[in-house]
Amino acid sequence: DTGVSQDPRHKITKRGQNVTFRCDPISEHNRLYWYRQTLGQGPEFLTYFQNEAQLEKSRLLSDRFSAERPKGSFSTLEIQRTEQGDSAMYLCASSLDRTGQSAYEQYFGPGTRLTVT
Amino acid sequence: RKEVEQDPGPFNVPEGATVAFNCTYSNSASQSFFWYRQDCRKEPKLLMSVYSSGNEDGRFTAQLNRASQYISLLIRDSKLSDSATYLCVVRSGGGFKTIFGAGTRLFVKA
Repeated sequence: DTGVSQDPRHKITKRGQNVTFRCDPISEHNRLYWYRQTLGQGPEFLTYFQNEAQLEKSRLLSDRFSAERPKGSFSTLEIQRTEQGDSAMYLCASSLDRTGQSAYEQYFGPGTRLTVT
Repeated sequence: RKEVEQDPGPFNVPEGATVAFNCTYSNSASQSFFWYRQDCRKEPKLLMSVYSSGNEDGRFTAQLNRASQYISLLIRDSKLSDSATYLCVVRSGGGFKTIFGAGTRLFVKA
């Protein structure tokens, strides 16, 4: 399967615990995005990487959230001291560095569903 | 006001019908526009990019009106398999931040 993969697919954690999610983008894609989606809403942008550089970060990404992409390949999203309001689907997407509108066409992974109890 | 707004629907249409969705965006500096499709409990999938001159892909036609700041998606000859949520997506400004609308739900019935 050469698509975007995410791990784990589901995570249940207790309030106050830390969680980490992993995203493996499509292999030749150098752009990687993280989103959060709650029921009945569209995905909300969290952050964006070009290779290993984190270039944009949403105000939604509080100091409890951190994302890394150390070698410009896979990325991790960590949430510290989870709260019930963090329960959501966390989606990762990637895109290819090219010119024109197609540079912004994103391909999504299946997501990690987080439930904080 | 949300940056990207869509009619949430749901739209209930019979097979074979033509259905149109509109989406408005508030940032006049927005540069790229897309429609994504999302099936229940699945990830969004790119349906089509929206170009300034409008574009068509089979039964799907997308239009952009920069002056009025809206984009549209027209689906002709609806199929049962078109039932999904359609997400309007706008790239805001010169960076890579993309804003998704909340989506419009479509149900196509036999």
